[in-house]
Amino acid sequence: AQSVTQLDSHVSVSEGTPVLLRCNYSSSYSPSLFWYVQHPNKGLQLLLKYTSAATLVKGINGFEAEFKKSETSFHLTKPSAHMSDAAEYFCVVTPLGYSTLTFGKGTMLLVSP
Amino acid sequence: DTEVTQTPKHLVMGMTNKKSLKCEQHMGHRAMYWYKQKAKKPPELMFVYSYEKLSINESVPSRFSPECPNSSLLNLHLHALQPEDSALYLCASSQDWTGANYGYTFGSGTRLTVV
Repeated sequence: AQSVTQLDSHVSVSEGTPVLLRCNYSSSYSPSLFWYVQHPNKGLQLLLKYTSAATLVKGINGFEAEFKKSETSFHLTKPSAHMSDAAEYFCVVTPLGYSTLTFGKGTMLLVSP
Repeated sequence: DTEVTQTPKHLVMGMTNKKSLKCEQHMGHRAMYWYKQKAKKPPELMFVYSYEKLSINESVPSRFSPECPNSSLLNLHLHALQPEDSALYLCASSQDWTGANYGYTFGSGTRLTVV
C-alpha cells in the first residue's frame, strides 16, 4: 500500500522569495513520485517526476525536487516565486511498474506581490 | 500532438438528462483514465482502460457508463445523475498500463453541474 502526506494545506510566499512545498510518502515497493500543478479551473500539469534515476529532479518552470529515501520525502522547491506560480500542487506516488496514482490532499500556493 | 482534449468544457444537465463527455488523445497512449474531482479535493479515480478494455472500475455507480471505441477516444456516458455528481471530470492518458514510468497527461476537464 502507498500513501502521500502533504504537510501544508496552504503556503504563502512573496514574489521573488523561495518556495518549499513538503511531501512525505510511504510505499511498499520502489516508488515513482510526481508533482502536478493545477491552476484554477484547469487540468493537472506534470511538473516533474522521479522514477529511480537521479535523486535530484529538475522540472518545468524552475521547479525541482529531491528524493530522500531515508526521510521518505520528496519536497518541491523553487528559488524565486513568480505570481504565475499561484496554484494547487499535488504530490503523487505510485509503485514502480503500476499505473494507478495515489494523490496527496494538495497544497495551495499563494504568491503575494 | 501532446495533448488530451476534453469536450465539452462546461455542461449543465438535469437529473433526467442523458449526456456524454468526450476525451481524445493522439499520442499513441494505450491507457486512458477518468477521474472525478470535487472542489478543493484531489482527483479520484473512476475508470481505467488499457488497450481499449476496461481494467478498473472503482465501484462507480451505474449512472456513469464509460466507453472506449478506439485507442484514441474515451467517452463517459451520463444518465440520471444526482446534484452531488457535480464536479470537474478529468480524462488522462499514459503510454501504457505501467504509466508510472512516464506520468500521466491530463486534459483540462469538463465542469459538470447537475441541476
